Amino acid sequence: AQSVTQLGSHVSVSEGALVLLRCNYSSSVPPYLFWYVQYPNQGLQLLLKYTSAATLVKGINGFEAEFKKSETSFHLTKPSAHMSDAAEYFCAVSDQGGKLIFGQGTELSVKP
Amino acid sequence: ETGVTQTPRHLVMGMTNKKSLKCEQHLGHNAMYWYKQSAKKPLELMFVYSLEERVENNSVPSRFSPECPNSSHLFLHLHTLQPEDSALYLCASSPGTGVKAYEQYFGPGTRLTVT
Repeated sequence: AQSVTQLGSHVSVSEGALVLLRCNYSSSVPPYLFWYVQYPNQGLQLLLKYTSAATLVKGINGFEAEFKKSETSFHLTKPSAHMSDAAEYFCAVSDQGGKLIFGQGTELSVKP
Repeated sequence: ETGVTQTPRHLVMGMTNKKSLKCEQHLGHNAMYWYKQSAKKPLELMFVYSLEERVENNSVPSRFSPECPNSSHLFLHLHTLQPEDSALYLCASSPGTGVKAYEQYFGPGTRLTVT
């Protein structure tokens, strides 16, 4: 079965600093990979996706992620954090039957 | 605005009550999902409907009963719940075919508290 591991349940950065949220997956076959963001009192919103095209994927709000097959990783980055980026971020991997397997989430805090 | 709405947004119910959660999607999607989101846990997939047929039931207790009358509407009927059922219940939809089947669009959720 697929699984997703997000390293760090809580990450804190200063405004303007680099954001790096880590995601590793377990799969013998390259899957589809996703990052979702959840703002307080809201549902999940799709940030970006990897579907076997370019390994560097750009998403909304200046985020991007790089698929590295050799490392089974799909880390999320943003060069410069903004206060509005404070939220919870979920990495997800595709499973059979159209299902997504989600990681436990990483809460991002941005300090002024 | 994601095109998926959920009502009510908040619900407090006793263990002997019966209530229903409603989800509606305006995206023309074929598949709909119920998830349970508890604090400090990954999202738990509860049910999947594709073209109004249930295709997944992840060992969910029978006190949760889903209903999908058409491709735009999804309900979750609740009865004799337990306090540990308190959580955020999220509805999602997806186009249901090919790689886009994995692009799920979520509603804002219903915050359920069982007293």
